Amino acid sequence: GENVEQHPSTLSVQEGDSAVIKCTYSDSASNYFPWYKQELGKRPQLIIDIRSNVGEKKDQRIAVTLNKTAKHFSLHITETQPEDSAVYFCAATQGSGYALNFGKGTSLLVTP
Amino acid sequence: DSGVTQTPKHLITATGQRVTLRCSPRSGDLSVYWYQQSLDQGLQFLIQYYNGEERAKGNILERFSAQQFPDLHSELNLSSLELGDSALYFCASGGDYGYTFGSGTRLTVV
Repeated sequence: GENVEQHPSTLSVQEGDSAVIKCTYSDSASNYFPWYKQELGKRPQLIIDIRSNVGEKKDQRIAVTLNKTAKHFSLHITETQPEDSAVYFCAATQGSGYALNFGKGTSLLVTP
Repeated sequence: DSGVTQTPKHLITATGQRVTLRCSPRSGDLSVYWYQQSLDQGLQFLIQYYNGEERAKGNILERFSAQQFPDLHSELNLSSLELGDSALYFCASGGDYGYTFGSGTRLTVV
């Protein structure tokens, strides 16, 4: 499938700081970009998503930006809390379909 | 509870064997997606079924196969198992955009 590159692979921040995770994709037909959070031993859960006709979307402390020209999108978490510690995955659709290709994940650690 | 049910939760089997993983999607969802999660490969898309038909295919090995039944539950069959097939296998279901994952089946091949 098409590649989704994600970085950094690990990120450590202090409580209250912001965290930014970036992803790039290769399929110009991709039109939906969700972010999932996976806590240890649990299933991935959708936390925010954005469609190709939108440049930015915000939900409380979480925001996602999309640059279709550059084929990259980012997750921003502000005022981080210890419970934000988890692995975060970005994803992009395979073309205009609904199947998702995932990045390899970012392990976020928020220290008190 | 996400509404996506996967069984069994854990499976231990020997190399060369065959196993079947089962997934029941959320009520109303027609699509089922299968993913393999290993430590170094993240979430690898295997295959998608929509209302009984194969819709999209990812990096699924020839030793693996899947199907979706009229009641919309799906099964992932893994055969001639190798040590490297040990992983967490997730099923997800969805309507249009975005989908919900089940709790996964942890497969250990010994």
